[in-house]
Amino acid sequence: EVQLVVSGGDLVQPGGSLRLSCAASGFTLSNYWMHWVRQAPGKGLVWVSRINTGGTVTNYADSVRGRFTISRDNAENTVFLQMSSLRAEDTAVYYCVRSPQYRGDHYFDYWGQGTLVTVSS
Amino acid sequence: SSELTQDPTVSVALGQTVRITCQGDSLRSYYASWYQQKPGQAPLLVIYGKNYRPSGIPDRFSGSSSGNTVSLTITGAQAEDEADYYCKSRDSSDNHVVFGGGTRLTVL
Repeated sequence: EVQLVVSGGDLVQPGGSLRLSCAASGFTLSNYWMHWVRQAPGKGLVWVSRINTGGTVTNYADSVRGRFTISRDNAENTVFLQMSSLRAEDTAVYYCVRSPQYRGDHYFDYWGQGTLVTVSS
Repeated sequence: SSELTQDPTVSVALGQTVRITCQGDSLRSYYASWYQQKPGQAPLLVIYGKNYRPSGIPDRFSGSSSGNTVSLTITGAQAEDEADYYCKSRDSSDNHVVFGGGTRLTVL
């Protein structure tokens, strides 16, 4: 059974840092691109970042570029999102997502349960 | 970056057919996928590619595309289909991922 277990969400002050982890099981992590998607309370889904299978290619939404870093450890079956210089507008549930491809399109077939990050003083 | 536009709310009578649409320039070039999200739950993939349903998704869900618009059709909507639905595709300018704003479906 494919599982993505997300952890690390917390209450953090503006300007602070946090690292989210996504523990994958039930499949071979190294075969898949992985993404992070977030959802602010009562709002829609917003793509945050992605990483390729080997960890050599990363992309970010404009709103987080330079502040967030995605990485992965395929040997430990884990994907990370290091978040720094956090702002109130980063408050959201963060989802880790597995992403197969169909003719170049990354679709999201498994989602973790999400972890809440709250940025507030 | 490009945008994907969805109607914020749509309603359908129980057992009737409903179409949820998503518009955007990037849809002329790239496939879209559709996600269902119920309150307090993670999103669930319902349609991807040309018109593929993951295992476990009922066949009343189908997808189609025409020009800059993709559609999710639910034929014979059930009470359990009441949810938020999001389209997703690629941004034509920076090759990144973009979501539509979401459509809240109410089953009457």
